[in-house]
Amino acid sequence: SQTIHQWPATLVQPVGSPLSLECTVEGTSNPNLYWYRQAAGRGLQLLFYSVGIGQISSEVPQNLSASRPQDRQFILSSKKLLLSDSGFYLCAWTLGGTGTDTQYFGPGTRLTVL
Amino acid sequence: GDSVTQMEGPVTLSEEAFLTINCTYTATGYPSLFWYVQYPGEGLQLLLKATKADDKGSNKGFEATYRKETTSFHLEKGSVQVSDSAVYFCALSPFMDTGRRALTFGSGTRLQVQP
Repeated sequence: SQTIHQWPATLVQPVGSPLSLECTVEGTSNPNLYWYRQAAGRGLQLLFYSVGIGQISSEVPQNLSASRPQDRQFILSSKKLLLSDSGFYLCAWTLGGTGTDTQYFGPGTRLTVL
Repeated sequence: GDSVTQMEGPVTLSEEAFLTINCTYTATGYPSLFWYVQYPGEGLQLLLKATKADDKGSNKGFEATYRKETTSFHLEKGSVQVSDSAVYFCALSPFMDTGRRALTFGSGTRLQVQP
């Protein structure tokens, strides 16, 4: 069966510091991968998605970036965090290819920027 | 573009009450529709889904029917429990999205069930 991991679970960072969140998927090959952000009391906003190694599409211009160095690894980064980057970050995967399918979510990382 | 509208929360019910959370959507073609649930401090879990008109998704006593004519996918449960307290998200996946395949989410509805 497939499993998705995220770490760290919780992170408190000062404004201006760098960020690296990691997501890995087990039990599937060539998945589509996604980063979402959920601000307090709000819905989910798609930040980035990837359909393959090294292929990153950005949905929202901001100071965050994403990378996919391996097939089942997805990393969210920032060089300098802003207060507005605080939120709950969720990684998700779905089967690659065409058509529609269910997205499966990781446990999330709660980021607080002070 | 695609959008999903959910009823505002929080919804507060007593245990064993009937639950309805309204969801309507705007999309071209025939999207797939989903309900996800988020328990406090956790990620999202798929609750149920429907992929074509008149399909009924069901799981753990929850049901939702894909209504093309009213562009709706309302979530219902006949008798809620305290353990159902969570945030519920309605979402859609565009039909024949050959690349992005990302979900469009509603803003979420918080359900609080009191004993």
